[in-house]
Amino acid sequence: GAGVSQSPSNKVTEKGKDVELRCDPISGHTALYWYRQSLGQGLEFLIYFQGNSAPDKSGLPSDRFSAERTGGSVSTLTIQRTQQEDSAVYLCASSPTAFSGNTIYFGEGSWLTVV
Amino acid sequence: AQSVTQLGSHVSVSEGALVLLRCNYSSSVPPYLFWYVQYPNQGLQLLLKYTSAATLVKGINGFEAEFKKSETSFHLTKPSAHMSDAAEYFCAVSDPGGTSYGKLTFGQGTILTVHP
Repeated sequence: GAGVSQSPSNKVTEKGKDVELRCDPISGHTALYWYRQSLGQGLEFLIYFQGNSAPDKSGLPSDRFSAERTGGSVSTLTIQRTQQEDSAVYLCASSPTAFSGNTIYFGEGSWLTVV
Repeated sequence: AQSVTQLGSHVSVSEGALVLLRCNYSSSVPPYLFWYVQYPNQGLQLLLKYTSAATLVKGINGFEAEFKKSETSFHLTKPSAHMSDAAEYFCAVSDPGGTSYGKLTFGQGTILTVHP
């Protein structure tokens, strides 16, 4: 596609349920990032993929959070046993490579509300 | 560790007035610096970036920023504000070293309001 695509755009879930958020990066981009945007915390890095491997998972807030990437393309962020503090916008981004000077392109985000 | 400080969580200007959004960084090495804009209910869009070439960087929509190493600053300016500039602006930094993987560290954001 022309840009980074994320689904669902909005998700309301009950506390304790599992959720999956999907990201389809720009075609050919090998680097993929997940960020979380929440009130009071700003934009936080979660995890980085190069191809299908994740060299940096340092931002995942707990073991309830996991992510995978398959075929060097689509990525899924999974949150198990959701808590109210997980409510946030989850942004996916991609870049041609992991070079620090590259532009990172962001999707429009998945808005997660845990009730 | 790198960090970014954006001075002023809210900035309000009149249409046609100068826009100045402040960003200061902390980094052990000269970083790469970025400004992103986020319109309501949208993702982040790159305005401009500094990657150790010219210190005065011009971006989209008439914005520019100047890298000042002595002041550890990368302030964003636009000579004349338009109503369409109303949005939230984020300054970000990345480490040019290979171990950062291009990961961005963001400031807290500045909401720009433009009055008629």
